[in-house]
Formats: sequence, structure tokens, C-alpha cells
Amino acid sequence: EPEVTQTPSHQVTQMGQEVILRCVPISNHLYFYWYRQILGQKVEFLVSFYNNEISEKSEIFDDQFSVERPDGSNFTLKIRSTKLEDSAMYFCASRGLTGGKMNTEAFFGQGTRLTVV
Amino acid sequence: GQQLNQSPQSMFIQEGEDVSMNCTSSSIFNTWLWYKQDPGEGPVLLIALYKAGELTSNGRLTAQFGITRKDSFLNISASIPSDVGIYFCAGQLNAGGTSYGKLTFGQGTILTVHP
Repeated sequence: EPEVTQTPSHQVTQMGQEVILRCVPISNHLYFYWYRQILGQKVEFLVSFYNNEISEKSEIFDDQFSVERPDGSNFTLKIRSTKLEDSAMYFCASRGLTGGKMNTEAFFGQGTRLTVV
Repeated sequence: GQQLNQSPQSMFIQEGEDVSMNCTSSSIFNTWLWYKQDPGEGPVLLIALYKAGELTSNGRLTAQFGITRKDSFLNISASIPSDVGIYFCAGQLNAGGTSYGKLTFGQGTILTVHP
């Protein structure tokens, strides 16, 4: 069964360093997302990406964050200068299209646990 | 922004018992979804609801989309140990316009099932 894959599963970084979280969405999907989940809290939307551009972003997604689809398969989230409060589980998700309409189900990856020290 | 309030925050039940959890929103959603998250995993979709008043079942799971489009509940009947996990409600506006499928999640209900 096709799945969304994320690497690495766990990343530890020093405050102020740049990190890149990587995702390979399901191959024929067209809508891509990043969400984050701070330990013990709810899943929060960061950004959606469609047609090679950001379609929507939350107030969390400030200038320190950026996303890219550098080739036909990867979708990355970059945090330019990490802060302690960026420590969280980051989930990538993707959706397909059926009959010209976006599918309801978003498939989530297993997440990358980012720890900023 | 839109807020979802999910309750209860946690539940401890005996195997075989039924479970009910619900979600209310400050604003309308066009689609309600229920997800389950196992430890170390991403959320997995359990049930999607598309119309106000809709009642949908998936095995031992039953969910309803409230008439006002501002609430939803999820019932699990005859719980088993593998039902353990965190259950999230999520609201979504339809695609088109300014929505590209952004999900707004509730805070989650932690379910523990004692054998």
C-alpha cells in the first residue's frame, strides 16, 4: 500500500541551527501539507502546498519556515534558525485527486521528532 | 482562527464497554473527520462525514455530523485492547476558494482500555 515516508525519524539540533525535514508523498498526489504536534498537544496545521506554491499557511509558519518541492518526489520543510519551542513532531501529509476533486483523505507520514537543544 | 473543543480529554474503560467522545466548534465545517493516532505514528483516518445530520458506521465505530455543522461525536462499541490510542476530531472546509484541505484538529481524547 502506498504511504507517505518521512526522514529522519528523529533529529536533534542545536538552537540557531538550520534543519531540513524530508518527506516523500504518495506518488500521484498533488496536495501536500506540513503539520506539527508539540508533545501532548493537538496536531496543528503549518502549511499547504499545491501546484508548486504555498496555498495556505498558518500564523505559526513565519519567515523562519519554508517549503520546497525540489524534484518530482520530495517535499521538504526547512526551519532556518531553530528555537527551543520548535521542538515537536512534524508530520507531512498528502492528498490525491479523483475526478478533478481533491480527495477527502489526507495520508500522514509517521513523523519526524525534532528536538532543539 | 477556528477552534475545536474535544471531550473528554481522557477515558479509562474496561474491555467490552462502549465509548463516546465529541467535538464542538466555534464555526461551521463542511466535513468532519475522526482520526486515530497510535504512539509514534501519524494520524490515520477512521471516518469521514460530509453532510449535516449524517450518521456513518465503520465496523464498531459510529460517527455523526451535527445538524448545525458545528459538532460531531464518535462512538466505539464493545471496546477491545487495540482501541487504545489518541482519537482526534478534525474539521475541514471544502476544497475551492481559499481552502486547500487544511485540517483543524481537536485536542484529542486519550483512550485506555483495561483487559
